[in-house]
Amino acid sequence: EVQLVESGGGLVQPGRSLKLSCVASGFTFSNYGMNWIRQAPGKGLEWVAYISSGSSYIYYAETVKGRFTISRDNAKNTLYLQMTSLRSEDTALYYCARLTTVVSYWYFDFWGPGTMVTVSS
Amino acid sequence: DIQMTQSPASLSASLGETVTIECLASEDIYDILAWYQQKPGKSPQLLIYDASSLHTGVPSRFSGSGSGTQYSLKINSLQPEDFASYYCQNGLSAPLTFGSGTKLEIK
Repeated sequence: EVQLVESGGGLVQPGRSLKLSCVASGFTFSNYGMNWIRQAPGKGLEWVAYISSGSSYIYYAETVKGRFTISRDNAKNTLYLQMTSLRSEDTALYYCARLTTVVSYWYFDFWGPGTMVTVSS
Repeated sequence: DIQMTQSPASLSASLGETVTIECLASEDIYDILAWYQQKPGKSPQLLIYDASSLHTGVPSRFSGSGSGTQYSLKINSLQPEDFASYYCQNGLSAPLTFGSGTKLEIK
């Protein structure tokens, strides 16, 4: 069974940093592109970042470019999101999501339950 | 960036009814579109990809259609478990963008 479990969220002051993790199981993690997607309370979905299976390709949303860094450790089946210079507008539930390989387009076929990040003084 | 405009924002319907949700892309996305369902307190689940292909395990009462810039999700014979929020998503290229969502409620 495919499982994605995020951790590392919490309450953090504006301008500080936080690192999220997502541990994958039930599939060959190293074969899949992975993403972070977030959802502010009561709001819609916003894609944040993507990393290819071998970390060769990385893309970010403009809203986080230069502040967030996505990375992965295939030996540990773990995806990361290092967040710096956090702002109140980064407050959201952060999901880890797998990119499907059924077709060669950008669809997310499994999502974790999410980890909540609250940026507030 | 490709903008996705979804309508309506909310929708009330009764059990057994058929409903349709629309999604308009700001440019041609060549049918590279997905639909997700999100129940309260849960993570989104993929329903449809490539505009009309049902993801594994999705009931056949869900269907997707459209082309170019206009797409729709149709749910036939609404069941209690279908009352949720629905999002469309551009799957063509980064930055990946979602519609603002449609909340489907029981009338």
